[in-house]
Amino acid sequence: EDQVTQSPEALRLQEGESSSLNCSYTVSGLRGLFWYRQDPGKGPEFLFTLYSAGEEKEKERLKATLTKKESFLHITAPKPEDSATYLCAVQGRGGADGLTFGKGTHLIIQP
Amino acid sequence: DTGVSQDPRHKITKRGQNVTFRCDPISEHNRLYWYRQTLGQGPEFLTYFQNEAQLEKSRLLSDRFSAERPKGSFSTLEIQRTEQGDSAMYLCASSLLQGQDIFGNTIYFGEGSWLTVV
Repeated sequence: EDQVTQSPEALRLQEGESSSLNCSYTVSGLRGLFWYRQDPGKGPEFLFTLYSAGEEKEKERLKATLTKKESFLHITAPKPEDSATYLCAVQGRGGADGLTFGKGTHLIIQP
Repeated sequence: DTGVSQDPRHKITKRGQNVTFRCDPISEHNRLYWYRQTLGQGPEFLTYFQNEAQLEKSRLLSDRFSAERPKGSFSTLEIQRTEQGDSAMYLCASSLLQGQDIFGNTIYFGEGSWLTVV
């Protein structure tokens, strides 16, 4: 059974204070690892897809990296508008085609 | 491209009543998914369709739940005899699968339909 564990559960940063969010996973044959952003009361918004270890993707202040066991979402010089819950999910070769999500990291950026 | 659309956005119902949610996927997307999310948890997979065929159902999808996707376009999720434990946000998502299903296909979510059972 695919599993995703995200840490920390919550993170409070000052504006401009860089940090990283962790996503540890076990999956039977990784087809893709996905990062989403979710604002309160809304559906998840797609950020990145990573397919293989060593891959990196960037978008504005966010950079996602992938190893064989975990992924990191690095946030550089964050702004208050980056406050949200960040969800990590995996899609494996066995079992359901759907994504298996972690519980998310609730990120708060204080001005 | 207007994104995945869900209706209604909010529904309050009495225990024992039936409710139905509608989802319109991104046009030309051939895969459509239903997920459920409760507070403090990530979305949980319920079921998915490729075109009009329902290919997979999670163990979470009890007999009171039924989903359809007639003609491979919009989809409906019906919950019969609702229980308080059904209170959650129901998320619809869609993706375009092209060729062989080797690499993960990006799944785009709608804004969700909130269900409160009182």
